This record gives sequence, C-alpha cells and structure tokens, in this order.
Amino acid sequence: DAGVIQSPRHEVTEMGQEVTLRCKPISGHNSLFWYRQTMMRGLELLIYFNNNVPIDDSGMPEDRFSAKMPNASFSTLKIQPSEPRDSAVYFCASSLGRAHEQFFGPGTRLTVL
Amino acid sequence: QKEVEQNSGPLSVPEGAIASLNCTYSDRVSQSFFWYRQYSGKSPELIMSIYSNGDKEDGRFTAQLNKASQYVSLLIRDSQPSDSATYLCAVKVTNTGKLIFGQGTTLQVKP
Repeated sequence: DAGVIQSPRHEVTEMGQEVTLRCKPISGHNSLFWYRQTMMRGLELLIYFNNNVPIDDSGMPEDRFSAKMPNASFSTLKIQPSEPRDSAVYFCASSLGRAHEQFFGPGTRLTVL
Repeated sequence: QKEVEQNSGPLSVPEGAIASLNCTYSDRVSQSFFWYRQYSGKSPELIMSIYSNGDKEDGRFTAQLNKASQYVSLLIRDSQPSDSATYLCAVKVTNTGKLIFGQGTTLQVKP
C-alpha cells in the first residue's frame, strides 16, 4: 500500500508569494496531521483533522496559514503571503483514528527567499 | 519545563553495544508513547509504541515505560551503524490526537 503522499517535495519561492502544500493520507485513515520541523523548534503540530473536520488548529502560527481537507483523500496547507521565517520542512501524517499511531509522509522542504 | 525532554546528544556507542535513549514528560495523565527514528533528510519513521508500564520488545528494540517517574526509554541492542539517526520521543496528549515531540537524540554507532 502507498504511504502518505506529499507534493511538492521541494519548493523554493520568494517572500510574499502564495505557497500550497498537498497531502494524500493513507487510504482508510481518517485522521490527518500537518507538522512543521525546524532546527530551532523541532517538530511541531500545526493542525489536525478527524473525518475531514479540523479539530485543533492551535499550532497554526498566524492567519497567513490555512489548511483544508475537502475530502478523505486530500488536504492542503496554504501560506499566503509567505515569509523567510516560514522556511522549514512540512510533514503530513495520517492515522486510523486519532488514538492510533501516526505515519508520516516524505515531507515538503520549503525555502522562502 | 518542556513537555517532552530528551538529551540532544550526540550519543556515541560502538557497534554491537547497547544504546540507551531516554525521554521524560510532564503530563502525568499521558497514556500513549511513541519512538520515531529519523534519518538525516528523511521523515520520522515509527519504530515502537508503548502504552503500559514495563517493557515492550520488538527485535533489537525494547521500549520501557515508567508512568510513576514519567519517563520512557528505548534500548537498542547490538547497535549497528545503520541505527545512526535521530530518535524522537513522542507523547500523546490525553483525549486528543495531538503528539508532542521531544527535540530528539542523535545516535552515532561507530564501526
């Protein structure tokens, strides 16, 4: 079975541009998580969905960040406008229910110039 | 105090030795604990989960949980150079799907 799929794998953009990161969870998983990883702050949860509904977005840094999950097999994380401090690796993870183990996608390395 | 604490290392052990990785957490009511391995430039990979006090063994890996002392550890027996990676401890926030991760411990296994 395919694991969590993320695209793009690398994104380089200029400050002020809109960035959209995409995620396809493992088929049958109904919880989806967006994380950000930096050297300074480690791995942080941004937002998670259960059955396509956002449950906790307390980790979203500010209004420039938004996430959607229009159906069970697709989610997006959008940054508008992007800033250099948003440069990080963004991971998507999914689980079979929020109480179960989470499996991570390969990540998107974002660089904002 | 950080919610999940790990020694950042690096922890260096010779090939064939036992590597011991430790993690402490602050939430007394946490029930679910996980160890992830992350190679440089790769995503975290789940290697162990543990929910009850005591030991849980899986191949060369043993997870140990002591809820009274609020620590969880990972032992790697017969360490191999391929075990060289960063090991992340994660604690689930009770009644939520949220995982809180430690900063990770970098393990170096020298041939």
